[in-house]
Amino acid sequence: DAKTTQPTSMDCAEGRAANLPCNHSTISGNEYVYWYRQIHSQGPQYIIHGLKNNETNEMASLIITEDRKSSTLILPHATLRDTAVYYCIVLGTGGFKTIFGAGTRLFVKA
Amino acid sequence: SAVISQKPSRDICQRGTSLTIQCQVDSQVTMMFWYRQQPGQSLTLIATANQGSEATYESGFVIDKFPISRPNLTFSTLTVSNMSPEDSSIYLCSAGEQGTEAFFGQGTRLTVV
Repeated sequence: DAKTTQPTSMDCAEGRAANLPCNHSTISGNEYVYWYRQIHSQGPQYIIHGLKNNETNEMASLIITEDRKSSTLILPHATLRDTAVYYCIVLGTGGFKTIFGAGTRLFVKA
Repeated sequence: SAVISQKPSRDICQRGTSLTIQCQVDSQVTMMFWYRQQPGQSLTLIATANQGSEATYESGFVIDKFPISRPNLTFSTLTVSNMSPEDSSIYLCSAGEQGTEAFFGQGTRLTVV
């Protein structure tokens, strides 16, 4: 599975959109981009995933560039409860091991 | 989705002893995994728990230190053997199907004194 690169940390004002970038330049055609987050003292939580089309669910939106080498997770109206470490992970359709990188620590401030 | 329960949620253990952590999934799943998360760090995969056969360990992890059982499609255990303070971590169970999202338990916070 391809490796990912994310910024170490980001700040966001409460009520504003949080845009978390991820680079995955070596992604291959059958690999999906997954996002998870881990709130302090909890297990990781699945957020969203996509292949090449933009995706949206009740938690977030995922924008994947046309060349699929990068993506952005968007939390449209961040709240204090969105403060967490966000992990971008690439996983193939035949993949079965979710490997975590360092992630981005998002701080949502009042 | 799958709901994963881990027991115990936390424990304080004496060095040299062993602790067995249980992971129960509310539905049958193909894949189960064990992770370790050291303080301030990301998650590191320990092993894949294989139903009916020996677990598959990642580099740096061995069966003698972290024996794993998976007797059926909903349950797995991880034992941390002959513990030292360096084993103080959060241990997490994960489950899911191949090529799909993974679901995680809330973790077991282990402190070795």
